[in-house]
Amino acid sequence: ETGVTQSPTHLIKTRGQQVTLRCSSQSGHNTVSWYQQALGQGPQFIFQYYREEENGRGNFPPRFSGLQFPNYSSELNVNALELDDSALYLCASSSPGEGYGYTFGSGTRLTVV
Amino acid sequence: ELKVEQNPLFLSMQEGKNYTIYCNYSTTSDRLYWYRQDPGKSLESLFVLLSNGAVKQEGRLMASLDTKARLSTLHITAAVHDLSATYFCAVDPRKLIWGLGTSLAVNP
Repeated sequence: ETGVTQSPTHLIKTRGQQVTLRCSSQSGHNTVSWYQQALGQGPQFIFQYYREEENGRGNFPPRFSGLQFPNYSSELNVNALELDDSALYLCASSSPGEGYGYTFGSGTRLTVV
Repeated sequence: ELKVEQNPLFLSMQEGKNYTIYCNYSTTSDRLYWYRQDPGKSLESLFVLLSNGAVKQEGRLMASLDTKARLSTLHITAAVHDLSATYFCAVDPRKLIWGLGTSLAVNP
């Protein structure tokens, strides 16, 4: 399987709820990163996983958490949703052997109301 | 803290014209990325520049990297409407730090 797939594509949640976003990495890629992109802004790094371990984290609170599974798929979990969490969430997979290029999924558009 | 600045942030071009987008970053990095994003869509990789003096070209786009000046440029030659999109540069392979993007509109 080629490419990075994310699900769901769109999601509406209520403030205070919890959400789980999913990402299936490109075949052969063992590193996955998650980014938050607010409307009209550049992406902001949330965290990265390498071989199931967190391998770097951006300036996001602990209510943003993640997992990477043995098949290198990944989840992003956000607890206690806030209105400002409304954004496009992108996952990107990569492999050190490919010159550190990143392949992005199509994203999940999360709206918190 | 690593910062990435792009300019201009908005660019309206006529078809057939040439222009350059600039990307400055605040600390050493030997890798720089250019991505394209269409409205409501994900990020499409355009170029990965891996060393000082690197130059890559694809169609009407050409990117270059000067690590000493901490500057990358994305040059657009003879713009066409299909190039209308937002263009981002980003640095640091472990956690990409992004510019704000340059919103490009190519008009007939």
